[in-house]
Amino acid sequence: QKEVEQNSGPLSVPEGAIASLNCTYSDRVSQSFFWYRQYSGKSPELIMSIYSNGDKEDGRFTAQLNKASQYVSLLIRDSQPSDSATYLCAFPPRGFGNEKLTFGTGTRLTIIP
Amino acid sequence: GAVVSQHPSRVICKSGTSVKIECRSLDFQATTMFWYRQFPKQSLMLMATSNEGSKATYEQGVEKDKFLINHASLTLSTLTVTSAHPEDSSFYICSARAGTGAQFGQGTRLTVV
Repeated sequence: QKEVEQNSGPLSVPEGAIASLNCTYSDRVSQSFFWYRQYSGKSPELIMSIYSNGDKEDGRFTAQLNKASQYVSLLIRDSQPSDSATYLCAFPPRGFGNEKLTFGTGTRLTIIP
Repeated sequence: GAVVSQHPSRVICKSGTSVKIECRSLDFQATTMFWYRQFPKQSLMLMATSNEGSKATYEQGVEKDKFLINHASLTLSTLTVTSAHPEDSSFYICSARAGTGAQFGQGTRLTVV
C-alpha cells in the first residue's frame, strides 16, 4: 500500500461550484497533514494544514481530517479559474517534523469558466 | 515571511557535465534543508536531507556520489548533479523549515541534452 494516495484526476469543476479533493494515508501515527497547491512549473505552496479530527476552514478552503479512517480531504468553495492547479496532500513520515514531507501523487484540478 | 531562494531557476547542460544548484534561506537560519525531485506529471520525491556541518542523509535509491550535497553554512545548501545524463532532467526543489511547516524554494528546471 502506498503511503499516500490521492484521487488522481484530472478533476474538472464548473466555476462557482465546490471542488472536492481526497487523500488517504497508511501511517496511523501521522499527526499533521498539509495541502499544497502547485501551479505548472512552480514549486508547491502551502494552502492548509490540519492536525485535529474534524473540519478546519480558511476562506474558501476547508480541510477535513478523519484519523480513524485515515482520510483527509480539501473542499474548495466558489471555485475560481485561478484555483486550477495540482493539489498535493502531504504529511511528515514517522518520527519526523513538519518540514520533511511525504507527498501524494497529486490531483490535477481544472475550473471551467 | 520566511523565504527560501533557489538558483538557478532553469539550467540546460550537456550530458556528462556537472550542475550546481543553490538553496538559500534569506531571512532565517536553516540547520536542515531538504532536496526533492519531481518528474513530469509525478509528485515530489524526497532525495536527501541536508544537514549543516555534517553529511547529508540520502533516501533509498538515490546515489550519493552522483548527487553531492554540501551544507556549509546555516543559510546555504547546494546540490551538485555530477556527470549529468538526460534521465536526470527533472524539476529539483529545496525546502527548509520555517515556522510550523516547510518553505519551498522556487525550484530548478534541469534539462540535460
